[in-house]
Amino acid sequence: KNQVEQSPQSLIILEGKNCTLQCNYTVSPFSNLRWYKQDTGRGPVSLTIMTFSENTKSNGRYTATLDADTKQSSLHITASQLSDSASYICVVRFPGGSYIPTFGRGTSLIVHP
Amino acid sequence: NAGVMQNPRHLVRRRGQEARLRCSPMKGHSHVYWYRQLPEEGLKFMVYLQKENIIDESGMPKERFSAEFPKEGPSILRIQQVVRGDSAAYFCASSLDRDNEQYFGPGTRLTVT
Repeated sequence: KNQVEQSPQSLIILEGKNCTLQCNYTVSPFSNLRWYKQDTGRGPVSLTIMTFSENTKSNGRYTATLDADTKQSSLHITASQLSDSASYICVVRFPGGSYIPTFGRGTSLIVHP
Repeated sequence: NAGVMQNPRHLVRRRGQEARLRCSPMKGHSHVYWYRQLPEEGLKFMVYLQKENIIDESGMPKERFSAEFPKEGPSILRIQQVVRGDSAAYFCASSLDRDNEQYFGPGTRLTVT
């Protein structure tokens, strides 16, 4: 079964610190893997997208990495800002003609001043 | 270039009433997806539509829920005889085609009292 598991469930850090969020998936290879940011009360917005052949993808202070051997992706946030407080969702589009991606539950990040 | 629009943003209904949620996709997008998000839960796929056709409704409850995407006008998610368990945030996403990125709307928060 196609599954996406994220950890930790929630995370609290101080402004300016770095953090890393994890995403584990069960089926390999996949078509693409996206990280979304969802602010409270808003819809998800795509941060990065990676194909199965890519190891890393950056978008400003956000860097996504992929380890195909361990079936794990990480989202690293550097020099966190208060505006980074949000839910971060890992979404995997699995092969086999499935056009409906599988969503992780998300990691809730709170950045304190 | 307006993004995906959803209305209303907040909807309160009493048990037994009907709820109608509207979604206007991004300009040029003919593929629409509806998702439900319960508190502290991830996004769950409900239904995928392409103009005038339901492509996949495997995530939508068989009873009380229906969706349409007419040739003209927005996509509508209709919930009849709402119950308390229907209280959730309902997100709509649209894409250029089934393989492209899905862009999400701001969501409609349904509260059933």
